[in-house]
Amino acid sequence: GNSVTQMEGPVTLSEEAFLTINCTYTATGYPSLFWYVQYPGEGLQLLLKATKADDKGSNKGFEATYRKETTSFHLEKGSVQVSDSAVYFCALSDTGRRALTFGSGTRLQVQP
Amino acid sequence: DAGVTQSPTHLIKTRGQHVTLRCSPISGHKSVSWYQQVLGQGPQFIFQYYEKEERGRGNFPDRFSARQFPNYSSELNVNALLLGDSALYLCASSLTGVFSGANVLTFGAGSRLTVL
Repeated sequence: GNSVTQMEGPVTLSEEAFLTINCTYTATGYPSLFWYVQYPGEGLQLLLKATKADDKGSNKGFEATYRKETTSFHLEKGSVQVSDSAVYFCALSDTGRRALTFGSGTRLQVQP
Repeated sequence: DAGVTQSPTHLIKTRGQHVTLRCSPISGHKSVSWYQQVLGQGPQFIFQYYEKEERGRGNFPDRFSARQFPNYSSELNVNALLLGDSALYLCASSLTGVFSGANVLTFGAGSRLTVL
C-alpha cells in the first residue's frame, strides 16, 4: 500500500537558517503530493502541492519538487522565521484520488 | 467566507459511550472527508462522502459510521468508545470527491475527543 516517510523531529533552527524536511513515498501509479502545516491548536493548512513528476510547488517561500526517480518530495525554505514553527506533514493522494496518506509529521522549532 | 467548521471543539467521554461529531463544509463544497489524528501521528483517513453517498472508507472498524446530509454537512458517529479512540477528529471538504490540480482538501480545526 501507499506510505509516506518523513524525517523525525524536532528540527530546531535559528531564525534565517535554511530548512530542509525530507519526505519519501511509496505508491502505485502517479499520486499527487502535498505538504500541509499544522500550527498549535489548529487544523491542517495546505502549504503547497505538485501533481506530476518534476512539478515544483511553492508558497510563502517554501518549495518542494516532485522527484519520481527518487520518490521524494523534500520541503525547503531559504530563510525560516519564528512564525514558521509548526508541524509539517507530507502527504500523497491514493490511486482513486479520494483520500490522502500522511507521514507522521516533522516538528519545526525556530529560535530567535 | 467561513471555512470548514466542526463541533464540538472538545469533548470527554467514557469507555463504551457513543459520540457524534459534526462538520459543515465550505459553501459550495459537496464532498466531506473525515480523518483521525492520534497525538504525535499523522492523520488517518476514515471516510469520504460525496453527494450524500459514501465514496471511500479507510481501515476502521464498523463502530465508526458517518453520513452526509442534503445541505452537505456531515456527522461522524463512533459507538462503544475505546480508550484508543482518543484523538483529534478532522473534517475536510472539497469541491468534488476526486482531487485534481484545483480541487484540494481544506481542513477544519478538529474535534478533540478524550475517552476516559
